[in-house]
Amino acid sequence: AQTVTQSQPEMSVQEAETVTLSCTYDTSENNYYLFWYKQPPSRQMILVIRQEAYKQQNATENRFSVNFQKAAKSFSLKISDSQLGDTAMYFCAFMKSLNQGAQKLVFGQGTRLTINP
Amino acid sequence: SAVISQKPSRDICQRGTSLTIQCQVDSQVTMMFWYRQQPGQSLTLIATANQGSEATYESGFVIDKFPISRPNLTFSTLTVSNMSPEDSSIYLCSVAGTPNYGYTFGSGTRLTVV
Repeated sequence: AQTVTQSQPEMSVQEAETVTLSCTYDTSENNYYLFWYKQPPSRQMILVIRQEAYKQQNATENRFSVNFQKAAKSFSLKISDSQLGDTAMYFCAFMKSLNQGAQKLVFGQGTRLTINP
Repeated sequence: SAVISQKPSRDICQRGTSLTIQCQVDSQVTMMFWYRQQPGQSLTLIATANQGSEATYESGFVIDKFPISRPNLTFSTLTVSNMSPEDSSIYLCSVAGTPNYGYTFGSGTRLTVV
């Protein structure tokens, strides 16, 4: 079974700083997808960024980027120029390849990120 | 990506009663997923719902407690039965998108059992 571990329960940075959230996972699969979701107080789950395991290039979405280390099974999220609206719970999630049909997401424990003015 | 309408958004229920949560999707989807998020915790999958077949439940979740209906490709319900305070959680439905879009979630139902 796959497991996802986020070792930082809480983090806090000043506005405009850069912050990195850690995530490690365990799987025997070779093809899979990794995601970072954001959950603000509204509790809506919002997809931040995704990474396909077969791609060596790290995914980037505006201020959000990942450092994907497949051999180390590590998938960290870097938020640059952090903004007050980035305050939220962040969940790392794993999904097996869709070649086997739609798959469930396995979530990490979450990191509560606070951006201070 | 799909848009999901989930309701109710919140409810306060008496112990021993049941609550049915609805999710309506704006497009046809094969699979729908129901998650529970206990206070301050991560999301845990309750079951996967396919249209026209019984839902598949994860370890620790049973049909008698969380019956699910999936009458068509755009709609599903989750019932939380014979509720106790331990059932107080956020319940979310989700549908599988393409890998490019990840999975889409409903806005969640915050359930408080008193």
